[in-house]
Amino acid sequence: EAQVTQNPRYLITVTGKKLTVTCSQNMNHEYMSWYRQDPGLGLRQIYYSMNVEVTDKGDVPEGYKVSRKEKRNFPLILESPSPNQTSLYFCASSFALAYEQYFGPGTRLTVT
Amino acid sequence: GENVEQHPSTLSVQEGDSAVIKCTYSDSASNYFPWYKQELGKRPQLIIDIRSNVGEKKDQRIAVTLNKTAKHFSLHITETQPEDSAVYFCAADRGSTLGRLYFGRGTQLTVWP
Repeated sequence: EAQVTQNPRYLITVTGKKLTVTCSQNMNHEYMSWYRQDPGLGLRQIYYSMNVEVTDKGDVPEGYKVSRKEKRNFPLILESPSPNQTSLYFCASSFALAYEQYFGPGTRLTVT
Repeated sequence: GENVEQHPSTLSVQEGDSAVIKCTYSDSASNYFPWYKQELGKRPQLIIDIRSNVGEKKDQRIAVTLNKTAKHFSLHITETQPEDSAVYFCAADRGSTLGRLYFGRGTQLTVWP
């Protein structure tokens, strides 16, 4: 089954404790992206990757890191999480930007 | 950067009526305009998209129109049904920067039976 998976689905952590949210797709997609969703603000792009080893900043990259060492995986790293990073995070992948993006199930992160 | 504005933020219609959601964008180089539907507690899913070389696209009860001169595009849903109730997001790429996709803030559509 073609899908995008994210782990964990839910995470409660404390300020400053490094964490990684994994994202994996099995559709051989070139393009992958991370978004955060906050009430009233819609979806905001954090980072994206056009291909392996090619990543770039989106709208709200501060406090986040990503890597794309393999085509299927695109982890999101929060080196020192802060409460303002409490949000719902979605990973997405597509053949290229101007094609349907397939979203993962989301990761709800709470930073206290 | 690109600025995508979406209106209205909430929309209530009676079953069977039409619903229209409008978006404007600022980057004249934008070429790709998708619409996503997000049901409560679910992930966003593409319902329709349009590219800049097309003025209108239809898929059953859903249509999207694009006016590149005015830099706005709209989603039209006809014969609405309760299962159309969801949050709808418009988006636009940034033609001058490959890879960037900007979303509107969303429209909560409620269809009353």
